[in-house]
Amino acid sequence: EVQLVESGGGLVQPGGSLRLSCAASGFTFSSYWMHWVRQAPGKGLVWVSRINSDGSSTSYADSVKGRFTISRDNAKDTLYLQMNSLRAEDTAVYYCTRDCTRGFDPWGQGTLVTVSS
Amino acid sequence: EIVLTQSPATLSLSPGERATLSCGASQSVSNNYLAWYQQKPGLAPRLLMYDASSRATGIPDRFSGSGSGTDFTLTISRLEPEDFAVYYCQQYARSPYTFGQGTKLEIK
Repeated sequence: EVQLVESGGGLVQPGGSLRLSCAASGFTFSSYWMHWVRQAPGKGLVWVSRINSDGSSTSYADSVKGRFTISRDNAKDTLYLQMNSLRAEDTAVYYCTRDCTRGFDPWGQGTLVTVSS
Repeated sequence: EIVLTQSPATLSLSPGERATLSCGASQSVSNNYLAWYQQKPGLAPRLLMYDASSRATGIPDRFSGSGSGTDFTLTISRLEPEDFAVYYCQQYARSPYTFGQGTKLEIK
């Protein structure tokens, strides 16, 4: 079964840092681009970042550029999102998802990040 | 950035009725790289349609997608109780991979 499991969310103060992880299983992780998508409480989906299959190319939404870093460890089948200089508006459920070239599928269950003092 | 606008924001229908959801793009979506997702409360989104009109694996044939360029439609032919959820369109033609703001399909 193809599965993505996020971890690492929690409560952090403004200006703080957090690293999210996404453990992949059931497919050849190293063959796929991967993405992070977030959803603020009661709001819609917002794309955050993307990384290609070997980690050599990344892209970011303007709202997180320079603060967030996406990376992957293909030997560990794990995707990461390093989040620095966190702001209240970064509060959201963060999902990792696989790029199937034709849409994003599947999605993890999400991990909640709360930025508050 | 391609901006996607979904309408209506909320759609109130009864089981058995037909639902038509719209997604308009601010510029043409190349190769019709447009997907639809369903999200139920507390759960992750689920891929329904890709390439505007192709059903994802396991999606019932009461779901269909159409459109090209800047105008896209998701149709649910006969609503089942489990279809009441929020639906999002998304373009994956180019970064940033934008989503529409969603249409909430609620029971009338």
